[in-house]
Amino acid sequence: SQTIHQWPATLVQPVGSPLSLECTVEGTSNPNLYWYRQAAGRGLQLLFYSVGIGQISSEVPQNLSASRPQDRQFILSSKKLLLSDSGFYLCAWAPGPTPTGEKLFFGSGTQLSVL
Amino acid sequence: GNSVTQMEGPVTLSEEAFLTINCTYTATGYPSLFWYVQYPGEGLQLLLKATKADDKGSNKGFEATYRKETTSFHLEKGSVQVSDSAVYFCALKAGNNRKLIWGLGTSLAVNP
Repeated sequence: SQTIHQWPATLVQPVGSPLSLECTVEGTSNPNLYWYRQAAGRGLQLLFYSVGIGQISSEVPQNLSASRPQDRQFILSSKKLLLSDSGFYLCAWAPGPTPTGEKLFFGSGTQLSVL
Repeated sequence: GNSVTQMEGPVTLSEEAFLTINCTYTATGYPSLFWYVQYPGEGLQLLLKATKADDKGSNKGFEATYRKETTSFHLEKGSVQVSDSAVYFCALKAGNNRKLIWGLGTSLAVNP
């Protein structure tokens, strides 16, 4: 069966520090991978998605970047965190290659607090 | 553009009460509609979905009917349990777009 792992579960970082959140998927090949952010009062926002190794699409301009160094690994990064980067980050995968969108499977999330 | 409007929470109910969480949408064409649930400390998971008008999605005692005439997809459950306490998200997907459009989420607390 497929599983998705996301870590860490919680993270407190000072403003200006770097960020690296990792997400891995097991039990499937060539998944579509997604990073979402859930900010208070703003609902879920799609940040990045990837349909293959090295292929990253950004949905909104921001202080964050994403990379996919391996088929089942998706990393969310920042060189310098801002206060506004605080939020709950969710990694998700969906069966590829057809990007249907609805069969999304989510990780357990990372609560990031930037102080 | 496409959008989802969801009733604001929090919603607080007693066990065995009837639940309705309203969701209306704006979309071109014929979107697919979804309800996701996020239990405390967990990621989201798909609760139910409907892909065409008049379809009824159902799961775990929850139901939602795709009403094109009212552009709605309200979530209902006849008798809620404490274990239903969670945040519920309505979402839509229009056409072949891989992106889901999300509502803001509605927090539900069920008291024993």
